Amino acid sequence: LAKTTQPISMDSYEGQEVNITCSHNNIATNDYITWYQQFPSQGPRFIIQGYKTKVTNEVASLFIPADRKSSTLSLPRVSLSDTAVYYCLVGGRRGFKTIFGAGTRLFVKA
Amino acid sequence: DAGVIQSPRHEVTEMGQEVTLRCKPISGHDYLFWYRQTMMRGLELLIYFNNNVPIDDSGMPEDRFSAKMPNASFSTLKIQPSEPRDSAVYFCASSFGLNEKLFFGSGTQLSVL
Repeated sequence: LAKTTQPISMDSYEGQEVNITCSHNNIATNDYITWYQQFPSQGPRFIIQGYKTKVTNEVASLFIPADRKSSTLSLPRVSLSDTAVYYCLVGGRRGFKTIFGAGTRLFVKA
Repeated sequence: DAGVIQSPRHEVTEMGQEVTLRCKPISGHDYLFWYRQTMMRGLELLIYFNNNVPIDDSGMPEDRFSAKMPNASFSTLKIQPSEPRDSAVYFCASSFGLNEKLFFGSGTQLSVL
């Protein structure tokens, strides 16, 4: 399983764009990159998944460079309610179990 | 669909007692996962099932822990006997396909006194 490294915590202010980078140097050819968000007292919630280049949905964007050894989750114009822990996961579509790392604790201030 | 349903939401018990946590996955999902979350160890995968069959239980901490999935709509995680170090939030999640989008329940907050 590819190991991931993320910052332990980040601070931001309301209205700013937040970029959280995840390193996964030993990502395998068939691995996908998935991000989850977890609020206190709740289970993690899927945000976005990608394989290469850029993926965008109504919540976030995911940027993956050509070598795929890292990825960046971009949250546009964060609000106080985006304060949460964000997890980066790397794994294949089949045959690998979903393992969560330590995550990045994002704190959005007014 | 109501999502993944877990019960009870909170459980307080005494050391040595048997604890049973319950989970109802989303209808149609063929994978079910049990996770445990603590401040010290984060989110740990305990066991997962595919089509009601346990596939990997290497994360189960010890023989005191057991999990079953008698049918596609129900799973249990049992701890017998329980110990204070088992205190944690236990999450159940389901998905359609392995490593596809996981849907988590609200968790069971377990406190063993």
